Amino acid sequence: AQSVTQLGSHVSVSEGALVLLRCNYSSSVPPYLFWYVQYPNQGLQLLLKYTSAATLVKGINGFEAEFKKSETSFHLTKPSAHMSDAAEYFCAVSERYSNTGKLIFGQGTTLQVKP
Amino acid sequence: EAGVAQSPRYKIIEKRQSVAFWCNPISGHATLYWYQQILGQGPKLLIQFQNNGVVDDSQLPKDRFSAERLKGVDSTLKIQPAKLEDSAVYLCASSLGRLAETQYFGPGTRLLVL
Repeated sequence: AQSVTQLGSHVSVSEGALVLLRCNYSSSVPPYLFWYVQYPNQGLQLLLKYTSAATLVKGINGFEAEFKKSETSFHLTKPSAHMSDAAEYFCAVSERYSNTGKLIFGQGTTLQVKP
Repeated sequence: EAGVAQSPRYKIIEKRQSVAFWCNPISGHATLYWYQQILGQGPKLLIQFQNNGVVDDSQLPKDRFSAERLKGVDSTLKIQPAKLEDSAVYLCASSLGRLAETQYFGPGTRLLVL
């Protein structure tokens, strides 16, 4: 069965530092890949998604992610962290040939940004 | 454009009681999802509707959970009877279609079962 692994349940960076949140998927057929962000007491909001073609995907708020088939990874990065980036981040996959489009989420990574 | 609406936002009940959650998706979105998010975990899909038909309910505990989407718009999720392990945030999401579509999430209902 498809699974998603987010390495590191908590990541702490200083304001202005690089943000790197890791995500690996398990399937041999590259799935559709998503990153969602969840602020306290709010629902999830899409940051970016990979469906095909360009392997480097740009999203909102300065985030981007690179799909690497050889590493079965879709890591999320941002060159310079801002205090407002502190939130929970979820990587999710959807099987490419599924008839439901069902999302399978990782366990999440809490990003802390220190002043 | 209005987002996904959910109510109530918070609910506290005792075990063995029943509870119901309501969701109003974004207008025009054919696909509606209910997720359960237990503290410290990612959301887990409970049930997915396409218009008013069920597409996937493989992870719905059908002995106690039920859901409906009458007229293909609003949806309700019910738990009867509730157990302690049902304490979680219940998220509703909607999307235009199914494959590779962006899902738009509501704020969730936080349920505490005592």
